[in-house]
Amino acid sequence: EAQVTQNPRYLITVTGKKLTVTCSQNMNHEYMSWYRQDPGLGLRQIYYSMNVEVTDKGDVPEGYKVSRKEKRNFPLILESPSPNQTSLYFCASSFYGQGREKLFFGSGTQLSVL
Amino acid sequence: KQEVTQIPAALSVPEGENLVLNCSFTDSAIYNLQWFRQDPGKGLTSLLLIQSSQREQTSGRLNASLDKSSGRSTLYIAASQPGDSATYLCAVTYNFNKFYFGSGTKLNVKP
Repeated sequence: EAQVTQNPRYLITVTGKKLTVTCSQNMNHEYMSWYRQDPGLGLRQIYYSMNVEVTDKGDVPEGYKVSRKEKRNFPLILESPSPNQTSLYFCASSFYGQGREKLFFGSGTQLSVL
Repeated sequence: KQEVTQIPAALSVPEGENLVLNCSFTDSAIYNLQWFRQDPGKGLTSLLLIQSSQREQTSGRLNASLDKSSGRSTLYIAASQPGDSATYLCAVTYNFNKFYFGSGTKLNVKP
C-alpha cells in the first residue's frame, strides 16, 4: 500500500530534550516536506527536499533541522525543543513534474513540549 | 508574502444540497493548486489538482475550477452527503518547492 508513515503519532517531551520525528514513504517520490499545523494559522511549511541531499527552508524553519540521506526517509529533528513548538506536524511527499504532483500526507505527529 | 484565503471558515448544510467552497490567492503566477480534505485527527488527502494551464478538474461529485486572472478557485460539491463532513483546504505552489495553504473551510452536512 502506497503511504507516508510518520512516527511517533503522539509525543510529550520537556524543553531542551532533543527529539526526532521520522517520516518514510514507499512511493519513490523525489519531493518531501514538513509542515506544522496550528489553530488559526493553518499549515505552514518548515523544510522541504527536492531529492537526496537537497534540502531547503520553508517559511518557519527556526528551531528545526532535517536531513535527506536516503530517498525514502526525511526525519525532522528538534535539537532543543521549546513550548512554542507544540503543534501538529505533518510530513508529505510527491513526484515532481509531468502533472503528478499530488501531495501525499502522513497521519501526523502531535507534539507537546512542556 | 503569499497569502491564501478560504471563505467561509465554516459551513453547515442539509444533506443533498449543492455547495461551493472558495479559495483566493494573492499572486496569480501559480504552478498548480490542490484541494485537500482533512478529517479530525488525520492527515490531508488530496482531492483534486489543477495545473496552471487547466481551468477545471472533476472527480465524481467534486469539481474544482481555477481562474488565475482573478486569483480564485472554487470547489463544487454536488448532492452533499454526511460523509462529506470534514475540513477542506486549498494549497497553491509557485515553483513546486514551497506550498501555501489556506486555513480551511469546516463543512458539516446534516442528515
